[in-house]
Amino acid sequence: AQKITQTQPGMFVQEKEAVTLDCTYDTSDQSYGLFWYKQPSSGEMIFLIYQGSYDEQNATEGRYSLNFQKARKSANLVISASQLGDSAMYFCAMREGATSNSGYALNFGKGTSLLVTP
Amino acid sequence: DVKVTQSSRYLVKRTGEKVFLECVQDMDHENMFWYRQDPGLGLRLIYFSYDVKMKEKGDIPEGYSVSREKKERFSLILESASTNQTSMYLCASSLLSEAGYEQYFGPGTRLTVT
Repeated sequence: AQKITQTQPGMFVQEKEAVTLDCTYDTSDQSYGLFWYKQPSSGEMIFLIYQGSYDEQNATEGRYSLNFQKARKSANLVISASQLGDSAMYFCAMREGATSNSGYALNFGKGTSLLVTP
Repeated sequence: DVKVTQSSRYLVKRTGEKVFLECVQDMDHENMFWYRQDPGLGLRLIYFSYDVKMKEKGDIPEGYSVSREKKERFSLILESASTNQTSMYLCASSLLSEAGYEQYFGPGTRLTVT
């Protein structure tokens, strides 16, 4: 079963607007971590933001914030004041905790392609 | 500055060839991972290693093997390359702890098997 679901294959946003990229997850662990990565056309994976399952506050990193709703199992990425350089693929990922046998590998969603237009 | 390097950015091989993809990290991380990325499928875990000479299968290990003789180096081996292994391969590393949350990725190797 898919552990990370990103329902938006592609999104458009105008420069300077805010955009929300959706992510829902599925786990029975109490301890887990949620990540967002950005992948520009050059291919490198750039870490953006992290939210631990026990963190009470939503994570923020500059223009990025993670809207964490634990009961709904959602971890949406909000990018404020979009810039042309934000055009990229965005991946939501989860690292499960003590019950995982995957050495803390990440489960990735299929990604959302974001295009920022002038 | 933390770094994960991969031996090639682009590689073209013929069907049936043995292919080695090398990954080196300089962060003294215990965990190392190999992922495969295909359009519309996201990243899928092939193999991981949490210590020297230790390896575990991920979600799609068929057709691949790995080697970790030194802590900093993790190699992915395609014993007999096939066209369905044409893909982007990403190596990553992380600390072996729940507190060490971030995975650091290499630049990726785009492999084409003809």
